[in-house]
Amino acid sequence: EVQLVESGGGLVQPGGSLRLSCAASGFTFSSYWMSWVRQAPGKGLEWVANIKQDGSAKLYVDSVKGRFTISRDNAKNSLYLQMNSLRGEDTAVYYCARGTVTDSVWEYWGQGTLVTVSS
Amino acid sequence: DIQMTQSPSTLSASVGDRVTITCRASQSISSWLAWYQQKPGKAPKLLIYKASSLESGVPSRFSGSGSGTEFTLTISSLQPDDFATYYCQHYNSYPITFGQGTRLEIK
Repeated sequence: EVQLVESGGGLVQPGGSLRLSCAASGFTFSSYWMSWVRQAPGKGLEWVANIKQDGSAKLYVDSVKGRFTISRDNAKNSLYLQMNSLRGEDTAVYYCARGTVTDSVWEYWGQGTLVTVSS
Repeated sequence: DIQMTQSPSTLSASVGDRVTITCRASQSISSWLAWYQQKPGKAPKLLIYKASSLESGVPSRFSGSGSGTEFTLTISSLQPDDFATYYCQHYNSYPITFGQGTRLEIK
């Protein structure tokens, strides 16, 4: 059974940092693109970042470029999102999601972890 | 960036109704379109990919069509479990974007 379990969310002050983790199981982690998708309270879905199977390609939505870094550790079956210089508009539930081997179509999602940026 | 526009934003319908949700892309995305269903407090669930391919395990009352810039999601006979919010998403190029969502509510 495919499982994605996020952790690391919480309350952080504007300008602060947070690192999200996603533990994957039930599939060959190193074979898939992985993604972070977020959803602000009461709002729609927003793609945040993608990382290729071997980590050689990383893509970001413009609003987080230079502040967020996506990474993965295939030996630990884990995905990460380092978030720096956090802003109020980054407040959201952050989902870890598994794409297909070639596309960003998300068959599997974690339960989400809430990040709240507030003083 | 490719903008995705869904209509309507809210749809009121009854059990047994046939409903259609439309998604328009600001430029051609070929068939690189997916549809998701989301219920409150839950992660989205993939329904349709490549515009018309039904995800495994999704009931056949869900169907998708379209290509280029105009797409539809149709539910042939609404069931109580279908009342939720639906999102379209393109994956033609980066940045990947979603429609704003269509809330399907009980009439």
